Amino acid sequence: AQSVTQPDIHITVSEGASLELRCNYSYGATPYLFWYVQSPGQGLQLLLKYFSGDTLVQGIKGFEAEFKRSQSSFNLRKPSVHWSDAAEYFCAVAGEGGGGNKLTFGTGTQLKVEL
Amino acid sequence: EAGVAQSPRYKIIEKRQSVAFWCNPISGHATLYWYQQILGQGPKLLIQFQNNGVVDDSQLPKDRFSAERLKGVDSTLKIQPAKLEDSAVYLCASSLEILLSRFFGPGTRLTVL
Repeated sequence: AQSVTQPDIHITVSEGASLELRCNYSYGATPYLFWYVQSPGQGLQLLLKYFSGDTLVQGIKGFEAEFKRSQSSFNLRKPSVHWSDAAEYFCAVAGEGGGGNKLTFGTGTQLKVEL
Repeated sequence: EAGVAQSPRYKIIEKRQSVAFWCNPISGHATLYWYQQILGQGPKLLIQFQNNGVVDDSQLPKDRFSAERLKGVDSTLKIQPAKLEDSAVYLCASSLEILLSRFFGPGTRLTVL
């Protein structure tokens, strides 16, 4: 069965510092991978996705992620964090089952930004 | 483009009571999903519709949860009777087709006392 691990429950960074959120997945074939962000009281917003092709994908709000098959990872990065980036971030993998592309989420990483 | 709409935004009930949530997906989106997000966890799929047919309800506790999507547009999710462990945020999402990106609504936060 597919699964996602986000090893860091909480991360604190200073505004302007770089950010990397870790994500490891388990899936037998080539996965579809996603990063979502959830602000308090809001639904999930898609930041970026990987389906195939270039392993470095660019998303909204200056985020990027790199798919590394050998490490089963899809880490999210941002070169300079803004205070408004404080939120919870979810990595997700989609695979077969239930009509195709059943989306499985990790447990999330809560990002705090210090001013 | 209007997003996914959900109501109510908040609901507090006592255990053994019934509750219903409503979702209006983005216009034209054939696929609709209901997720349950318990505090400290990622969302878990409860049920997935393609138009008005159920594609996946393998994780729906069918003894107490039910969902329908009449006419392939709006959907309702019902819990009857509610248990304490049902306290969670219930998220509705939609996509044009199964393989495409999901757009999420703001969610309904349910508290069962």
